Amino acid sequence: DAGVIQSPRHEVTEMGQEVTLRCKPISGHDYLFWYRQTMMRGLELLIYFNNNVPIDDSGMPEDRFSAKMPNASFSTLKIQPSEPRDSAVYFCASSFSTNNSPLHFGNGTRLTVT
Amino acid sequence: AQSVTQLDSHVSVSEGTPVLLRCNYSSSYSPSLFWYVQHPNKGLQLLLKYTSAATLVKGINGFEAEFKKSETSFHLTKPSAHMSDAAEYFCVVSGNAGNMLTFGGGTRLMVKP
Repeated sequence: DAGVIQSPRHEVTEMGQEVTLRCKPISGHDYLFWYRQTMMRGLELLIYFNNNVPIDDSGMPEDRFSAKMPNASFSTLKIQPSEPRDSAVYFCASSFSTNNSPLHFGNGTRLTVT
Repeated sequence: AQSVTQLDSHVSVSEGTPVLLRCNYSSSYSPSLFWYVQHPNKGLQLLLKYTSAATLVKGINGFEAEFKKSETSFHLTKPSAHMSDAAEYFCVVSGNAGNMLTFGGGTRLMVKP
């Protein structure tokens, strides 16, 4: 299995531009999570899906952030418009639906907004 | 409600000496507990997990952790540190509500030659 695949690995954009981050979870996993990691705040859960349905988006910082999961093998996290304070590493993770099932993380997308 | 406290933000050891990374948790449920490692520019990788079976859990790369309910602790240990162990380590608790995980703040392990 290739693991969780995220693209792009690095994204540099100017303030005000739209950014789309992509994630392919591990086949068969029915939970998908989006996290953001910064030095100041550590790891923050933004949103998670179960069977492609958003369950909890209370971690999404503002309306500028949106996430979709159109099917079991693909999810996007969009920021529009982007701001410098959105600069961070964004991780996607997936797992099976048991409470002792570990998360499998992608290698992340490092976003820099200038 | 659940929470995780990693007692040290940084730990420095010499190569070949023991490693101890401390973690305390609180949970209203019988928790599942995990340790993850994050190497630079990488995602988090599972080291080991506790799921109410044996209290001493062995993981990858020679790490192990002991679940102590009376102390609400789940400390991570390794008998002999290797340079490749230098990374950030996260203690994580999973409660009863689906796959909701709570991450500790992380401990950065430095290994000196």
